[in-house]
Amino acid sequence: DAGVTQSPTHLIKTRGQQVTLRCSPKSGHDTVSWYQQALGQGPQFIFQYYEEEERQRGNFPDRFSGHQFPNYSSELNVNALLLGDSALYLCASSSGTRGYEQYFGPGTRLTVT
Amino acid sequence: AQTVTQSQPEMSVQEAETVTLSCTYDTSESDYYLFWYKQPPSRQMILVIRQEAYKQQNATENRFSVNFQKAAKSFSLKISDSQLGDAAMYFCAYRLYAGNMLTFGGGTRLMVKP
Repeated sequence: DAGVTQSPTHLIKTRGQQVTLRCSPKSGHDTVSWYQQALGQGPQFIFQYYEEEERQRGNFPDRFSGHQFPNYSSELNVNALLLGDSALYLCASSSGTRGYEQYFGPGTRLTVT
Repeated sequence: AQTVTQSQPEMSVQEAETVTLSCTYDTSESDYYLFWYKQPPSRQMILVIRQEAYKQQNATENRFSVNFQKAAKSFSLKISDSQLGDAAMYFCAYRLYAGNMLTFGGGTRLMVKP
């Protein structure tokens, strides 16, 4: 049973560019949440997708957008990258919007130069 | 807004000894969950233990137990018989019962000395 997978593992981008990160949820899960974890800090909630719609959003600008596909996988898009967007991006999946437990993926390390 | 605070940036424990990690939170809600997550160098966040706010009994999971003080809004993690594999970042997290968004503390780095 595959857990949550994320791609790519590492990514280096230049300021002003756009990036897309991908997440496949754990088998049987239909809800995906995205978190940003800056170096030395705890993760911060970006948004959550369920039934292909954004259901809840944290305090992040519109440069951060997402998508969920019919197979429940999800993408996180960040436009006009800033140096401050450098972080570990974690994806978590659960069953339903009140999923008792969230399972995390290994993350994508994004470096903006 | 809910906040979670971990006041110990780093803790150290001797192998086989016991260590307690502290966490306080602020909320005006009455129905919520509290969690401790472990993040090893591999970066994958792993759930260690969870506590439902409506339960008075403290959660226990093998060598891990919590001391949940709802009135004081305190939620500490006790690790007994510490092992080298326990070395990691530990995050305390809060979640409303009706919702999925986790609010994390800043983390505590636990070092285990052989």
